[in-house]
Amino acid sequence: DIQMTQSPSPLSASVGDRVTITCRASHDIGNDLGWYQQRPGEAPKRLIYAVSTLQSGVPSRFSGSGSGTDFTLTISSLQPEDFATYYCLHHNTFRLTFGGGTKVDVK
Amino acid sequence: QVHLVQSGTAIKKPGASLKVSCTASGYTFIDNFLYWVRQAPGQGLEWMGWINPYSGGTSYAQKFQDRVTMTSDTSLNTAYLEVTGLRSDDTAVYYCARDSNPAHLRSSGGPDYWGQGTLVTVSS
Repeated sequence: DIQMTQSPSPLSASVGDRVTITCRASHDIGNDLGWYQQRPGEAPKRLIYAVSTLQSGVPSRFSGSGSGTDFTLTISSLQPEDFATYYCLHHNTFRLTFGGGTKVDVK
Repeated sequence: QVHLVQSGTAIKKPGASLKVSCTASGYTFIDNFLYWVRQAPGQGLEWMGWINPYSGGTSYAQKFQDRVTMTSDTSLNTAYLEVTGLRSDDTAVYYCARDSNPAHLRSSGGPDYWGQGTLVTVSS
């Protein structure tokens, strides 16, 4: 089974900071990777799919990149509403493997 | 607009069974696979399995093979998750989520829309 390892966790940052979260897969996963944001008490929300495609309605300060086994979610300028937990997700033949999550909190 | 609406909070005793529903609207129910994902308190997200509402086909994570059944009722646009032999460590929020790809593509696109979650507490 493929394992997804996220870092760092947690991540302390301030409003306006550029934030980078990394996800590493145990094997090459092509572009079957998405990023999700989860605020406390809410369901996850998809931000990015297919490594780098922004979900409709998601602000352009979010971006994704990577290939093979190493992937990155970047928030170019952290906003107050971005303090949340972020998960990478690998999907293959409808099996889902989540990263452990990165909580972005206030420095 | 796609919506997935789940049944409400449940409190169960150890050894009991649980059935959570997920009612879809805003799209053709049989066109997309549905996932079930759970999240224990303060923990990450855990995939439980999927159902193809068109065929009724399912696949479960190995951890849940013996205790989980996923079904759907296409006349009600509703999917169900049943968990038997509940234990305290089954206490979690259970989510349904829709796969973003049409099922006929036979290739997952990852979940796009999620239900609001159902809190299940297992306690004596």
